[in-house]
Amino acid sequence: QVHLVESGGGVVQPGTSLRLSCAASGFTFSSYGFHWVRQAPGKGLEWVAVIWFPGGNKYYADSVKGRFTVSRDNSKNTLYLQMNNLRAEDTAVFFCARKDTLFLDPWGQGTLVTVSS
Amino acid sequence: QSALTQPASVSGSPGQSITISCTGISSDVGGSNSVSWYQQPPGKAPKLLIFDVNTRASWVSYRFSGSKSGNTASLTISGLQAEDEADYYCSSYTGSSTWVFGGGTKVTVL
Repeated sequence: QVHLVESGGGVVQPGTSLRLSCAASGFTFSSYGFHWVRQAPGKGLEWVAVIWFPGGNKYYADSVKGRFTVSRDNSKNTLYLQMNNLRAEDTAVFFCARKDTLFLDPWGQGTLVTVSS
Repeated sequence: QSALTQPASVSGSPGQSITISCTGISSDVGGSNSVSWYQQPPGKAPKLLIFDVNTRASWVSYRFSGSKSGNTASLTISGLQAEDEADYYCSSYTGSSTWVFGGGTKVTVL
């Protein structure tokens, strides 16, 4: 069964860093690209980043470009999102999702990041 | 990377049909058949509903259908049921290696 599980969320102060992880199981991790999508409290979904397969090209939303970095470790079947210089407006539930051609499926359950002083 | 435009809410009585619109521009919704729809029940993660404009995911009832005309995609739910209450989001590939979501539509069954 295909499964994605995010972790690493928490409460951090503005200007600090946090790394999220997304552990995958039930499929060949190295054969897929992956997305990060976030959802601020009570708000809609916002696409954050993608890492493509097989070249590993990475692309970002303008709102996080230069601050967030997506990466992967195929030996650990894990996707990462390194978030630097966090701002209050980055407060959100962060979801990872598998890239299936041009849509997202499946999604993880999400991990909450709260940026507050 | 402006969000796609969806109505904030749509409601209907059991058994009725409702349609949710999703409007973008020629470089996203209008530029390819890469529109997808996601269902998000309260407090849960989104789940793929429809991809490539009108292809249902394996778990999805025939009551859900998708279409597109120009820069606007649509999701229709026929035979509305109480279990259909959820938030619905459209998404499109933008053609520049990025994706965009709609603002989301809350579906209420009266």
